[in-house]
Amino acid sequence: DVKVTQSSRYLVKRTGEKVFLECVQDMDHENMFWYRQDPGLGLRLIYFSYDVKMKEKGDIPEGYSVSREKKERFSLILESASTNQTSMYLCASSTLIGSRGQYFGPGTRLTVT
Amino acid sequence: AQTVTQSQPEMSVQEAETVTLSCTYDTSESDYYLFWYKQPPSRQMILVIRQEAYKQQNATENRFSVNFQKAAKSFSLKISDSQLGDAAMYFCAYRSANFGNEKLTFGTGTRLTIIP
Repeated sequence: DVKVTQSSRYLVKRTGEKVFLECVQDMDHENMFWYRQDPGLGLRLIYFSYDVKMKEKGDIPEGYSVSREKKERFSLILESASTNQTSMYLCASSTLIGSRGQYFGPGTRLTVT
Repeated sequence: AQTVTQSQPEMSVQEAETVTLSCTYDTSESDYYLFWYKQPPSRQMILVIRQEAYKQQNATENRFSVNFQKAAKSFSLKISDSQLGDAAMYFCAYRSANFGNEKLTFGTGTRLTIIP
């Protein structure tokens, strides 16, 4: 089974702090994704990566950056956390075979105070 | 840009009954994939069922089946013999079949409650 893990289930940070969310997948997937999930809005794509050191902006990249130095690891960075970034963050990975869909991590609930 | 619409924010069904969750989408592409994902409370999102647009036959996975109407751009999920473990948020998602277009576009979700 594909396993996607995220570094924290719950995180509380202060406004202005730099925040790192880590995601690791163990199935040698080419693609990795970061979403945020908010009630009534579904999942919105922040960034994705289709290869090491490659990244593409998603629908809501403002205030975020990403890093993919190794194939299995994809990091989401909040340079200066703000209260409107309080949300559930989901990481996912997938192969190049589109019909197989994406595999999700358990999520990180981030609260910025 | 593609959009996915789930018009039912909440649904409920009696245990052992059948329920259908609606999903419509908008696209100008002819080849794509559609998915239903399930997110139980405080648990991981998992793939329930998938449909390839070029296949006319509706996908089925045990108690889960879809009604895929390509011309109408409709992709509903039917859950038969509902069980307490089916309680979850259900998300419909769209993915282009074009190589390099890897992203999923999600609907806003339907919260399904199972009544014992």
